[in-house]
Amino acid sequence: GAGVSQTPSNKVTEKGKYVELRCDPISGHTALYWYRQSLGQGPEFLIYFQGTGAADDSGLPNDRFFAVRPEGSVSTLKIQRTERGDSAVYLCASSPTLNNEQFFGPGTRLTVL
Amino acid sequence: GQQLNQSPQSMFIQEGEDVSMNCTSSSIFNTWLWYKQDPGEGPVLLIALYKAGELTSNGRLTAQFGITRKDSFLNISASIPSDVGIYFCAGGVPNAGGTSYGKLTFGQGTILTVHP
Repeated sequence: GAGVSQTPSNKVTEKGKYVELRCDPISGHTALYWYRQSLGQGPEFLIYFQGTGAADDSGLPNDRFFAVRPEGSVSTLKIQRTERGDSAVYLCASSPTLNNEQFFGPGTRLTVL
Repeated sequence: GQQLNQSPQSMFIQEGEDVSMNCTSSSIFNTWLWYKQDPGEGPVLLIALYKAGELTSNGRLTAQFGITRKDSFLNISASIPSDVGIYFCAGGVPNAGGTSYGKLTFGQGTILTVHP
């Protein structure tokens, strides 16, 4: 079956611009996670949804970052007033409820010039 | 916050050799997972461990959940060229309500190179 998909695969933007990154989880997975991966590092947790609600957003670095999942399936990560330090690969993962086996998408590589 | 220390940072081995890598933490985790990441791809789940002391195999891969719940190791036997990639350990804890698992904390990764 289809895995987690993310669009776009690459996004280049200018400092100060607004970007949206989309994640389509595996069908039937109720939990959805966003991570950020800088070069040479492991993924770092940003936010996690159980259904439509954000169950834990403790990893969002500041209020420029926001994520939604209005219908409990597709999620959008929104970054306002992008900064060069936001450049990274943004990974989305999903899992069935009640276990930690998270399945990752290919990521969106964000470059802020 | 929680941190995972993964070692070694990189390994260069000959095809056919066995590989061992490990992960340690100052905090307790309820689950340990091992992922492999290829360039330009997301991490792929290899093995998930849920009980202290658990030893689980997946083909040539074997992983163990340390008895203290603060460490885990991954072994790869008889390495082949397609084992090349970055291996990450990850630890998970349940959410505040204990009803489901939330964020994973990842190690820094072990870069594995296999020479034919």
